[in-house]
This record gives sequence, structure tokens and C-alpha cells, in this order.
Amino acid sequence: QVQLVESGGALVQPGGSLRLSCAASGFTFRDYYMSWIRQAPGKGLESVSYISGGSNDIQYSDSVRGRFTISRDNARNAVYLQMNDLRVEDTAVYYCTRDPRHFDYCGQGALVTVSS
Amino acid sequence: DVVVTQSPLSLPVGLGQPAFISCRSSRNLVYSDGNTYLNWFHQRPGQSPRRLIYHASKRDSGVPDRFSGSGSGTEFTLKINRVEAEDIGVYYCMQGTHWPFSFGGGTKVEI
Repeated sequence: QVQLVESGGALVQPGGSLRLSCAASGFTFRDYYMSWIRQAPGKGLESVSYISGGSNDIQYSDSVRGRFTISRDNARNAVYLQMNDLRVEDTAVYYCTRDPRHFDYCGQGALVTVSS
Repeated sequence: DVVVTQSPLSLPVGLGQPAFISCRSSRNLVYSDGNTYLNWFHQRPGQSPRRLIYHASKRDSGVPDRFSGSGSGTEFTLKINRVEAEDIGVYYCMQGTHWPFSFGGGTKVEI
């Protein structure tokens, strides 16, 4: 069965950096676009970024473009989100999702807290 | 960016009664491949969102048939035929046609 497991969430100070990882299993990873979405505490859902199977199609939301970088390693069945220059408003649970248009599977989430 | 508007914000409903949630998009959600990328999700407190409906009206495997989706273009509806206790939580619609893919603000269903 499809499994997505996020890791790397932590408490970080404003201006700091963090790298989230998502380990995928149960499907042919290289065949799928993958994405990250986030949910601020008590708030709704927001798309952050997506990446194609071959890493040649990448998009970011305006709120993270220039600060976050998505990448993947098809040999390791993993997708990553490098987050730099973190802001208080980046505080959220970050979910790894398969197939961003369909959003058919979602991990359990990783909590990122940006606070001094 | 596409704005997705859900209503109502809160939906008190009796057990066994029907519930309707509306989702409106600021742009037509038919993609160039002919598909309409409109999904419905259910999220319980402390849990990840779970998809119920995709392509506006196709029910996911394992989703009870009391859930149904309808609509096209810019207007969509999720119907819960007879609400059960396990249906409480927040429901979101999401458009996957135009990047950035966007979500409605959520509808909290409570008994």
C-alpha cells in the first residue's frame, strides 16, 4: 500500500533553515509528481511546491519562491523540501502528497515551528 | 490565482439528515486534457486530510456511497446523503487545474 512518511520537522528561529524529507513506498515513485502542502495551526490548507518525476517541472507558491527548494531522489524514493530564511508565518504542519492535481495520498505531516 | 470559496463555514446537521457543501471557483476548472480537477477532502482533528471525491464526482475506493460530488465549470457540491457520527470534521474542496492549486476555506460539519 502507498505510504508517505515525513520527517525533519523542528523548532527553528526566524531566518533559520530546515530540510524536510518524505520517504515514499508502495508505488513506482519515479512515475509520479510529488508535492508539499502546509497547514498553519487552526487554519486551512495551502499548496507550497511540486516536482515532476524527472525533476524537470517544478513550481512554487509565491509565498515561498526564492526561499524554499523542492528536490527528489528517485533512487531513494524520497522527496525533500529545503526551507531557508524561515519566517514566523511558515509555522505549519507540512504534508507530503502524491500527484498534486489529484492529491490522492498524503503523509501524516511534519510540524515546523518558527519562533524566537 | 484561483480563489476557491466554500459555504457554509459551519454546518450543524442531525444524524441521518442530508448535508450539502458548496464550492465555487473563480475560474473554470476544466483542464486542457478535458478533466476537471476538483477534489473533496475530509479532515478529522489531528489527522491528515483524506480524499473522498476526485474529478468532481468520482468517489474514492472505500468511501461510503452516502458521499457524492456534482457540478462542473465553476460550481460544485458535496452531498452527504445521511450524516453519520463519523462524518464530523472539516471538509475542503481543492482545485488542481491552475497552479497554485488552491483550497476552499473549509466547512466544519458538526452533529
